[in-house]
Amino acid sequence: DQQVKQNSPSLSVQEGRISILNCDYTNSMFDYFLWYKKYPAEGPTFLISISSIKDKNEDGRFTVFLNKSAKHLSLHIVPSQPGDSAVYFCAASNAGGTSYGKLTFGQGTILTVHP
Amino acid sequence: GAGVSQSPRYKVAKRGQDVALRCDPISGHVSLFWYQQALGQGPEFLTYFQNEAQLDKSGLPSDRFFAERPEGSVSTLKIQRTQQEDSAVYLCASSPYAGRRGNTIYFGEGSWLTVV
Repeated sequence: DQQVKQNSPSLSVQEGRISILNCDYTNSMFDYFLWYKKYPAEGPTFLISISSIKDKNEDGRFTVFLNKSAKHLSLHIVPSQPGDSAVYFCAASNAGGTSYGKLTFGQGTILTVHP
Repeated sequence: GAGVSQSPRYKVAKRGQDVALRCDPISGHVSLFWYQQALGQGPEFLTYFQNEAQLDKSGLPSDRFFAERPEGSVSTLKIQRTQQEDSAVYLCASSPYAGRRGNTIYFGEGSWLTVV
């Protein structure tokens, strides 16, 4: 079963506008959530994270929102830039499961930012 | 380089052939993970090492998959009698911590395996 889901395979946005990437999860034991960015032929790189005790975390142009009751998180990129074009993965970890940061990933969303 | 290094970057194997994929983690990193990423999917956890100890191998899909990290640094993922469904990118990741620090997990570029 897919415990972390990204239901939008792709998203296309104009430069300067907001990009919103969504992620849903089913396992209520997940307590730490991360977004990774991946360029072609490279490994995923960490972008931003949020603990379940918070509902928002901001880092420059990137903000992650967590709605625990809905088991939903989103990544907002404002303003979007062409260099943001990449695959974005949502990931979650479970403190009640392992202590070493085992991650469960979504399927990814391909973001394309047009100049 | 200072990052996680994986080799080979690309491997084409005939069905039934054995393959070995190597991971050089960042020097001094305690934790090492292997993930499998099929085309169009997100990475899926295979196994975890803390130093030389394999603490979790729950994600290995079958007994054809074997991983080791004998001296607590370099790791090898071995796939015996490869099958077409093994075609994927195999990602190695390392972390300086034994505990959970999600933003300190560093991924390599991956080994792309195609089984024909």
